[in-house]
Amino acid sequence: GNSVTQMEGPVTLSEEAFLTINCTYTATGYPSLFWYVQYPGEGLQLLLKATKADDKGSNKGFEATYRKETTSFHLEKGSVQVSDSAVYFCALTFQGAQKLVFGQGTRLTINP
Amino acid sequence: NAGVTQTPKFQVLKTGQSMTLQCAQDMNHEYMSWYRQDPGMGLRLIHYSVGAGITDQGEVPNGYNVSRSTTEDFPLRLLSAAPSQTSVYFCASRPQTGSYGYTFGSGTRLTVV
Repeated sequence: GNSVTQMEGPVTLSEEAFLTINCTYTATGYPSLFWYVQYPGEGLQLLLKATKADDKGSNKGFEATYRKETTSFHLEKGSVQVSDSAVYFCALTFQGAQKLVFGQGTRLTINP
Repeated sequence: NAGVTQTPKFQVLKTGQSMTLQCAQDMNHEYMSWYRQDPGMGLRLIHYSVGAGITDQGEVPNGYNVSRSTTEDFPLRLLSAAPSQTSVYFCASRPQTGSYGYTFGSGTRLTVV
């Protein structure tokens, strides 16, 4: 079946550090890939997406590239801020499908 | 735009009680879904709907019912609450065509004692 695996958390970094959160997937066919962010006490917000191989999604300084050859969609940011502290979810879906398949989430804490 | 609105935000139930979690969206989205979020497990799909009058089961439907009488509303009913249903519940919606990204509500934190 389809599945998403994220790096284990929690992740703690200092402000202005470089961030990578790994995400790999298993899927039959070619899914669309997403990163969602959940700030404390809130619902999930779509952070970025990529719908085909080699696409790069970007938003708020975050980037992720759809790598078909390694079935990966790693999230990166060059310089994190305290306000980036949140839980990050990698997810996939297929065109016409009703279901998002989520990874388990990675909690990120940024210290000043 | 209000987006996806969920009520209540918090609820405590006793085992065996029933209740309805409300979800409403004002974006005229055809697709709506209910997920539950449990620690270390990401989000799992409970039920979904592709339009008014049409619902179907997701991964973990047992103990929950849904209906979709209008495009806007998609309530989730717990028939007889159990401690295993202690979780955070999210409603989400998206349009049928175009971008596949879902818009999520802010969640309902449910505790069953």
